[in-house]
Amino acid sequence: DAKTTQPPSMDCAEGRAANLPCNHSTISGNEYVYWYRQIHSQGPQYIIHGLKNNETNEMASLIITEDRKSSTLILPHATLRDTAVYYCIVRVRKNQGGKLIFGQGTELSVKP
Amino acid sequence: ETGVTQTPRHLVMGMTNKKSLKCEQHLGHNAMYWYKQSAKKPLELMFVYSLEERVENNSVPSRFSPECPNSSHLFLHLHTLQPEDSALYLCASSISGGATDTQYFGPGTRLTVL
Repeated sequence: DAKTTQPPSMDCAEGRAANLPCNHSTISGNEYVYWYRQIHSQGPQYIIHGLKNNETNEMASLIITEDRKSSTLILPHATLRDTAVYYCIVRVRKNQGGKLIFGQGTELSVKP
Repeated sequence: ETGVTQTPRHLVMGMTNKKSLKCEQHLGHNAMYWYKQSAKKPLELMFVYSLEERVENNSVPSRFSPECPNSSHLFLHLHTLQPEDSALYLCASSISGGATDTQYFGPGTRLTVL
């Protein structure tokens, strides 16, 4: 599975959009981009995933560049409860259960 | 989020004890996972079960023994652990072979080995 690079930390003002970048320059054609977050000492929470088209759900939007070498997770109106570590993971979806390889992630601090 | 539950939430045990961690999923999934998260480190995959068969064992020491009696339940049996095994143990589940295999995590068991 391809390796990802994320900034170790970011700050965001409450109510503003949080844009979290991820580089995955070695991604292959059949690898998806997944985003999870982990609030302190809790289990990771699935946010969104995509292959090459931009995706949006009730939590966030995922923007993937045309060459698929990078992506951005957008939280449109960040709240204090969005403070967490955000993980960008690229992986192939497998028939027998595919593992997630977590990196260090980006620690997002939403400030009042 | 109560789709994946884990018990106990906190566990303190001595190095000579035997204990078990339990995971239960209520999502109709057929793949289950154990992950370990040590302090200041990324999550590490330990075991994968798909359709109740172990399909991956990530070089985990034999003092950790998983059991998957059915598609809804997963156990991690612990014996003669070391202090460095203290960590957050996370269970996850997904649909294996389906249109989506997104993994959903439980809240974790915080284990302390004295």
